[in-house]
Order: sequence, then structure tokens, then C-alpha cells
Amino acid sequence: EAQVTQNPRYLITVTGKKLTVTCSQNMNHEYMSWYRQDPGLGLRQIYYSMNVEVTDKGDVPEGYKVSRKEKRNFPLILESPSPNQTSLYFCASSFSSYNSPLHFGNGTRLTVT
Amino acid sequence: AQTVTQSQPEMSVQEAETVTLSCTYDTSENNYYLFWYKQPPSRQMILVIRQEAYKQQNATENRFSVNFQKAAKSFSLKISDSQLGDTAMYFCARIQGAQKLVFGQGTRLTINP
Repeated sequence: EAQVTQNPRYLITVTGKKLTVTCSQNMNHEYMSWYRQDPGLGLRQIYYSMNVEVTDKGDVPEGYKVSRKEKRNFPLILESPSPNQTSLYFCASSFSSYNSPLHFGNGTRLTVT
Repeated sequence: AQTVTQSQPEMSVQEAETVTLSCTYDTSENNYYLFWYKQPPSRQMILVIRQEAYKQQNATENRFSVNFQKAAKSFSLKISDSQLGDTAMYFCARIQGAQKLVFGQGTRLTINP
């Protein structure tokens, strides 16, 4: 089944404790992206990747890192999480960033205390 | 910043009624793509409908259709014969450049029995 797999689904952590949210897609998509969803703000892009080893910042990249060592994987890293990073996170992928609809993972609900 | 605006934070209608969700956007591009996504309580992001800006004809998918007014930069979603399963958050989105989907703030739609 074609899908974007995100883990974990829920995560509660404390300020400053490094964490990684994994994302993997099995559709051979070149484009992958991370979004965060906050009430009243919709979804905002954190980082995106046009292909392996090619990543760039989105609208809200502060406090996040990503890597794209393989085409299928695009992990999101929070090296020192803070409470303002409490949010719902989505990984997404598509064949082309220009006109293809995004396929989304099921989301990760992160709480930083 | 080029934006997408959904002016209705919440809407509520009775089952079987028709409902229209509004969306306006800002762009300096001539050709672009617009989307409506549905997010049910399961928080999965589901593509509802897609519109290519160079196409005059409004997109339709079963009970879902759009009213695309390019000059007015308006992209509303009409749901006919609404069903309880249509209860969800709905997001309007536009592709910006070749990098990302820009989302509106969302409209929470409730279908009442």
C-alpha cells in the first residue's frame, strides 16, 4: 500500500531532550516536506527536500533540523525542544512539488513540557 | 507574504443540506494549483479536490465542487447533500513556486443529524 509512515504518533517530552520524528514513504517520491499545524494558523512548512541531499528551509525552520540521506526517509530532528514546539506535525511527499498533491503521514502530536 | 485566507473559522449545517466554504488567496503567478484538503477527527489529511488555474472549468468530485474565480482570486468549496462523515476541518491550499503548499487557517465544519 502506497503511504507515508510517520512515527511516533504521540510524543511527550521535556524541554531540552533531543528527539527525532521519523518519516518514510514507499512511493519513490522526490519531494518531501515537514509541516506543523497550530490552531488558527493552518499548516506551516518547516523544511522541504527536492531530492536526496537537497534540503531547504520553509517558513518556520528555527529549532528544527532535517536530513535526506535516502530518497524514502526524511526525519525531523529537534535538538533542544522547547514548549513553543508543542504542535501537530505532518510529513508529506509528492512526485513533483509544482503540481502534484501532497500525500500526508498520519501526524505526530508532540507535547514539550 | 503571499497568503491563503479562509474567513469562516466554523460552520454548521444540517445533514443533506448544501454548504459552501470560502477561500481567497494572493498570488502574482499566472499558472498555479489550488487544493482543498479534509482533516477528520482522525487528523488524517485527505485530498478532496484540485483545480488548475489555467483551466476555466470548475473541478468536481462527486458531491464536492469548486467555484473558481481567477480574477477575484477566490476558490470556494461546495458540498452538496452533506453527510455526517463530512464533519471535519477543511483546508484550502495553494502551491507557491516549486517549494510548498501554502495553507489557509482552516474551517471547522460540523454536519448535524
